[in-house]
Order: sequence, then C-alpha cells, then structure tokens
Amino acid sequence: NAGVTQTPKFQVLKTGQSMTLQCAQDMNHNSMYWYRQDPGMGLRLIYYSASEGTTDKGEVPNGYNVSRLNKREFSLRLESAAPSQTSVYFCASRPGTASYEQYFGPGTRLTVT
Amino acid sequence: GENVEQHPSTLSVQEGDSAVIKCTYSDSASNYFPWYKQELGKRPQLIIDIRSNVGEKKDQRIAVTLNKTAKHFSLHITETQPEDSAVYFCAASHFGNEKLTFGTGTRLTIIP
Repeated sequence: NAGVTQTPKFQVLKTGQSMTLQCAQDMNHNSMYWYRQDPGMGLRLIYYSASEGTTDKGEVPNGYNVSRLNKREFSLRLESAAPSQTSVYFCASRPGTASYEQYFGPGTRLTVT
Repeated sequence: GENVEQHPSTLSVQEGDSAVIKCTYSDSASNYFPWYKQELGKRPQLIIDIRSNVGEKKDQRIAVTLNKTAKHFSLHITETQPEDSAVYFCAASHFGNEKLTFGTGTRLTIIP
C-alpha cells in the first residue's frame, strides 16, 4: 500500500494564480482531511470529508475549496492564491469509527509570491 | 470549539535524560488525546494516544498521563535518544467528532 499520497511536492505560484492540490489514499478510509502547517501554529484544519459526497469547513477555510471526488481522492483548490497561503499542506485520512488515528501524506510545500 | 495549548514550544534535553511536554484542553467533552511526532521534513505520525477512561498509558520509553479534572495531559519520554529529536504535537477530540484540534507543537532537541 502506498498509504496517503499527495501531488505536487513543491509549487510556486504568483499572487492571483489558481491551482489544485491532489490527495489520494488506498486504505479504504472513510474520512479525509486537509491541514496547513505554519511555523509556531501547529496543524490547522482547512476542510474535511467524513464520507464520500460530504465536505465540511474546518478552522481556516477561507480562500479554499475542496472536492471529494470519490472515496480515494480529496482535492484542495486555491482559486486566487495569496501570499498568506504560503504554507505546507498536509492531507490525512482516517478509517472511520473503528479508529481515530489519522494517517498523513508527505505534504506539499506551497510558496505564493 | 476546542482549544489546545501546548508547552514548552522548545525543549533541549541531554541524551539519556527524560523529557516532558504538557498540554491543556478546554472542552470537557473531549475524551481522545493523541500525540504525533514529526521529524524534520517528514509527515506527522501517531506515537501514542490515550482515552479518557484511563489515567496513564505506556509504550516502551514513552508514556502519556491524563488528568481529566484539571483538563491536562502530558507526554513523557524516558532515556532519550538522538532519534527522539523532532516536533511533537498533542491533540484532542471526542468520539463522534470528526475533527482533531492540535496544539502548536514542541521542538525537542536531544543533546548528545
């Protein structure tokens, strides 16, 4: 199993550009999450999806949209990137009610200039 | 919503000594408290978790204690080794809640 995979690993955008971060898991997990990690601020939840077809806002959703394409894939879209969105983005997944452990992907380092 | 505070933000410990990281939470309904370890440039990984029906849990050199009355929990690492150097995050949630609320992290450095 590859676990949780993310693409791309690195990305540089100019202010106002758009892009989509991709996440996929092959563990048949129900729940998926997007976090951003900034120095000194820990992991902050952007959006999550408790099951295929549902999405909900987390702590910092402004400026982002998500799509739970199917059970495996959960994408994060920045419609008009801003320098404040420079961060490391982590996708995670969780089996569901059977386990509360979250499994993280390798992360995407995004710089917005 | 839940608020998790974590202290200290940085911690340096001589190899072989013990390290303790503390977290407090605000939501008395929280009953699940995991700890994640993140090595430099890597993804966070669960190292230990505790549920509110127990006060302490151990796994080899690491242990977590929970005080529900005071709403705080701690990570204890004994006989520290260089590979323990990492950022450690505490988190809190309650069963039925999809979301974890993370602390801001502690950078632990083990001095050889």
